[in-house]
Amino acid sequence: EIVLTQSPGTLSLSPGERATLSCRASQSVSSSYLAWYQQKPGQAPRLLIYGASSRATGIPDRFSGSGSGTDFTLTISRLEPEDFAVYYCQQYGSSWYTFGQGTKLEIK
Amino acid sequence: EVQLVESGGGLIQPGGSLRLSCAASGFTVSSNYMSWVRQAPGKGLEWVSVIYSGGSTYYADSVKGRFTISRDNSKNTLYLQMNSLRAEDTAVYYCARVGEWLLRGYYYYGMDVWGQGTTVTVSS
Repeated sequence: EIVLTQSPGTLSLSPGERATLSCRASQSVSSSYLAWYQQKPGQAPRLLIYGASSRATGIPDRFSGSGSGTDFTLTISRLEPEDFAVYYCQQYGSSWYTFGQGTKLEIK
Repeated sequence: EVQLVESGGGLIQPGGSLRLSCAASGFTVSSNYMSWVRQAPGKGLEWVSVIYSGGSTYYADSVKGRFTISRDNSKNTLYLQMNSLRAEDTAVYYCARVGEWLLRGYYYYGMDVWGQGTTVTVSS
């Protein structure tokens, strides 16, 4: 089973700043099978990025994903107030899916 | 409108059983990969199970042998039968569609439609 480790656990930034979130896999992951989600309190997760770098429908272009192999990154270029939330990476295998433990993005 | 609506959660004693339902609208459950994901109070997301369009099913080790995923094509509904429930199964349970995109000759996946969640509490 592939384990995804996200860092940092909590990231404190101000609106307008750039956020860089990391997701590291215990073994190589196909870029096709790496996704990122945003979750706000009391809400279901929302798909942001699939295939490591493709934005889902309706996702603003300030969100971008990159990486390959075992290291993946979600970047938010200029933080808006609504971006403060918890972010999860996820990988898909042939018969299992795993999530990272999440990064909480909080207002500084 | 593409939508998923879960139901069936509640308070159940340890060792009991519960069946969750997830009614879909705007798309066909049987033509898609469909999954259950749960979130324990104050914790992160945990994948539970998936059913593929061809009918194959897979489970997380934590629920294997106790939970069963299924679908009713006539009702366009996904189910999760949960038996031998334990306190650690307490969580909000979400159903989700696993979207599939073909880009540049490769298939890409992500859970693109989610329900609002239904709460399962296992306690005596």
